[in-house]
Amino acid sequence: NAGVTQTPKFRVLKTGQSMTLLCAQDMNHEYMYWYRQDPGMGLRLIHYSVGEGTTAKGEVPDGYNVSRLKKQNFLLGLESAAPSQTSVYFCASSYTRDRGVYEQYFGPGTRLTVT
Amino acid sequence: LAKTTQPISMDSYEGQEVNITCSHNNIATNDYITWYQQFPSQGPRFIIQGYKTKVTNEVASLFIPADRKSSTLSLPRVSLSDTAVYYCLVGAYTGRRALTFGSGTRLQVQP
Repeated sequence: NAGVTQTPKFRVLKTGQSMTLLCAQDMNHEYMYWYRQDPGMGLRLIHYSVGEGTTAKGEVPDGYNVSRLKKQNFLLGLESAAPSQTSVYFCASSYTRDRGVYEQYFGPGTRLTVT
Repeated sequence: LAKTTQPISMDSYEGQEVNITCSHNNIATNDYITWYQQFPSQGPRFIIQGYKTKVTNEVASLFIPADRKSSTLSLPRVSLSDTAVYYCLVGAYTGRRALTFGSGTRLQVQP
């Protein structure tokens, strides 16, 4: 199993450009998440999905859109990139359980710089 | 969601036991306590989870007192490779909610 993979690993954008980050998981997990992590900071949740075709906003959703057309993929889009979106983006997935907290499996991250 | 408070940073030496405490005064009945570890340039990795009393696995132990208003992650005999950021999360995946990460505790292990 590859686990959680992210594409691309690095990207540099100019202000106003758009791009899509791809997250893929091969563990048949229901839940998927997108986080951003700024230098020296913790992770902040952007959007998440509890199943194919569903998405929900996290802490910092503004400026981002997401789609979950297939269970194994979760896309994060930036329509008009801004320097404030310079960050490392992590995708994660988790399985469902009747009770308790689901362990999240993280990808390696995408380092995005907006100039 | 329960708010958590943990030290910003800690220093230790190889071979010592390290205890990182997390405060969560408004923890709810259904909430669990989960700890993650993050190395530089990597995504976080699940370490341990508990609800009450003590949980132990091959990596760490988690101590939770009866009132559950705090918890302590214990790392036995740390090595240089344990240098990382450790996050305490409190919550329950009941329904359409997701947990969020705080700033974590940066542990630096010296030789």
